[in-house]
Amino acid sequence: GENVEQHPSTLSVQEGDSAVIKCTYSDSASNYFPWYKQELGKGPQLIIDIRSNVGEKKDQRIAVTLNKTAKHFSLHITETQPEDSAVYFCAATHTGNQFYFGTGTSLTVIP
Amino acid sequence: EAGVAQSPRYKIIEKRQSVAFWCNPISGHATLYWYQQILGQGPKLLIQFQNNGVVDDSQLPKDRFSAERLKGVDSTLKIQPAKLEDSAVYLCASSLVHSGNTEAFFGQGTRLTVV
Repeated sequence: GENVEQHPSTLSVQEGDSAVIKCTYSDSASNYFPWYKQELGKGPQLIIDIRSNVGEKKDQRIAVTLNKTAKHFSLHITETQPEDSAVYFCAATHTGNQFYFGTGTSLTVIP
Repeated sequence: EAGVAQSPRYKIIEKRQSVAFWCNPISGHATLYWYQQILGQGPKLLIQFQNNGVVDDSQLPKDRFSAERLKGVDSTLKIQPAKLEDSAVYLCASSLVHSGNTEAFFGQGTRLTVV
């Protein structure tokens, strides 16, 4: 099955700085890569996703890049704010399959 | 649009007792997932339904866990008997079609503590 690795496990940044979280996957058949934000006591919330026919996608302060050849994808958050503090999970899947999640990154934005 | 509803939010039981969790997916979503999330880890799939049929239950500990999705809508997940290592958050998610290319939306989860 698919194996998704995520780094770093913890990340602290100053408010206004950028944050980058990286994930790698093993199954070349994976073609959909969502990112989830999980706040304390809540379920994961989809914040952005990318499909394998696209190399980059941006939504306001959040962007995701995908390198299919190297089998890695990254989440970029610019101009971080305290409300960005949460645990972020990457995931990978392909048609008809389950979602495989990374181990999570705990992001702390220091005011 | 209402989200994925789960109940209860919290449950504390003693080991060897039984417990059941309930999930109501987003209306019209054919695919339903149950994930187990142990503290500090990413969610891991327990079972995946397409309508009322099981797509993948390879990681479900079938000696103690069971799940059903009658009529292809609501679902229940049961643990009997519970073990200490079952302490986790149980997340239900749903997606529109059985494609893997469609977004999965998660409920708030049920936090289970086994003592």
